[in-house]
Amino acid sequence: DTGVSQDPRHKITKRGQNVTFRCDPISEHNRLYWYRQTLGQGPEFLTYFQNEAQLEKSRLLSDRFSAERPKGSFSTLEIQRTEQGDSAMYLCASSLEQYTEAFFGQGTRLTVV
Amino acid sequence: AQSVTQLGSHVSVSEGALVLLRCNYSSSVPPYLFWYVQYPNQGLQLLLKYTTGATLVKGINGFEAEFKKSETSFHLTKPSAHMSDAAEYFCAVSARDSNDYKLSFGAGTTVTVRA
Repeated sequence: DTGVSQDPRHKITKRGQNVTFRCDPISEHNRLYWYRQTLGQGPEFLTYFQNEAQLEKSRLLSDRFSAERPKGSFSTLEIQRTEQGDSAMYLCASSLEQYTEAFFGQGTRLTVV
Repeated sequence: AQSVTQLGSHVSVSEGALVLLRCNYSSSVPPYLFWYVQYPNQGLQLLLKYTTGATLVKGINGFEAEFKKSETSFHLTKPSAHMSDAAEYFCAVSARDSNDYKLSFGAGTTVTVRA
């Protein structure tokens, strides 16, 4: 198992464009989390899934953001009509249901120009 | 709700000196506490965690932390700093009685190690 994988690692997009990120969790991890991290700050919780069900969404997740985990395996995070304020590192993490420990991917760094 | 405060956004230590990173938490329920390390342009790696039981927790790379309920603290220490310890460190908390385990992170402390 190679750990949590995120793709792409870097994305530069023009303001107003849509972007989609992918996260592949550790096999058999049924919980999947998305976090956003801006420069000089700790990660902020965005949303999480248990299997394919999205159980919680942060108020940080505006209507332009949508996340899916269609088969309870990989997940996608889409941002529509990107804004410069969306520039950040987007981190994905996964864990087994009965354990507290979350394993993080290397993140996708989004730059909106 | 849970939150953490990390005291000091930057810490500079000499190689071989003690590393001490401070973290205080706030939680309405018994907490789970974590320290993560992040290297530039990388994700977060778990250093150690406190769930229940022994309040002194040992982690990877020679780090340890002590849970002090009376002080609502979970400070991270390493007796002797190595150049490879230069990174950003995050304290995090989740709610023990919750079933979702989402983490609330502090703002982070950047550690610089001087030769």
